[in-house]
Amino acid sequence: GDSVTQMEGPVTLSEEAFLTINCTYTATGYPSLFWYVQYPGEGLQLLLKATKADDKGSNKGFEATYRKETTSFHLEKGSVQVSDSAVYFCALSLSNFGNEKLTFGTGTRLTIIP
Amino acid sequence: DAMVIQNPRYQVTQFGKPVTLSCSQTLNHNVMYWYQQKSSQAPKLLFHYYDKDFNNEADTPDNFQSRRPNTSFCFLDIRSPGLGDAAMYLCATSPRGVYGYTFGSGTRLTVV
Repeated sequence: GDSVTQMEGPVTLSEEAFLTINCTYTATGYPSLFWYVQYPGEGLQLLLKATKADDKGSNKGFEATYRKETTSFHLEKGSVQVSDSAVYFCALSLSNFGNEKLTFGTGTRLTIIP
Repeated sequence: DAMVIQNPRYQVTQFGKPVTLSCSQTLNHNVMYWYQQKSSQAPKLLFHYYDKDFNNEADTPDNFQSRRPNTSFCFLDIRSPGLGDAAMYLCATSPRGVYGYTFGSGTRLTVV
């Protein structure tokens, strides 16, 4: 079945460090790929997305490129801030009309220390 | 602001005692979803409604039921909660497809 594998956490970085959170997927078709972020006590928020191979999603300084050849969608940020501390989820969808299911990875907890 | 609201934020229920979680939306989205998120695990889709059409995931236990009386509201009923049902329950909506997903803040269920 379809699945998402994420880098194990927790991840702790110093402010202004470079961030990479690895994400790989297995899917029977051509999925859309997403990164969601969950701040403490809140629901999931869409961070960025990519709908086809070689697309780059970007938002708030975060980027991820859809790599079909390596089935990956790694999240990167050049200089993290304390406010980036949250849990990050990679997800995919083989969106067919009437079936808009998101399949998530297990999440990576990120803590940024000043 | 248009949003997805889940009530309550925290729910404690007794083992075997039926419990209902609620979700409301002001977005007028066609699709409403219920996800279960256990500690340190990925959110897992339980079921979703496309308008009034109910779609159950194959591995969702029979203990979980849902109702959608109108566009704005959706309920998750757990008929006989077990200790293994303790989790965060996330409601989400979308107009159609995955690109407009909006999640609520979740209800954390504790079973004692």
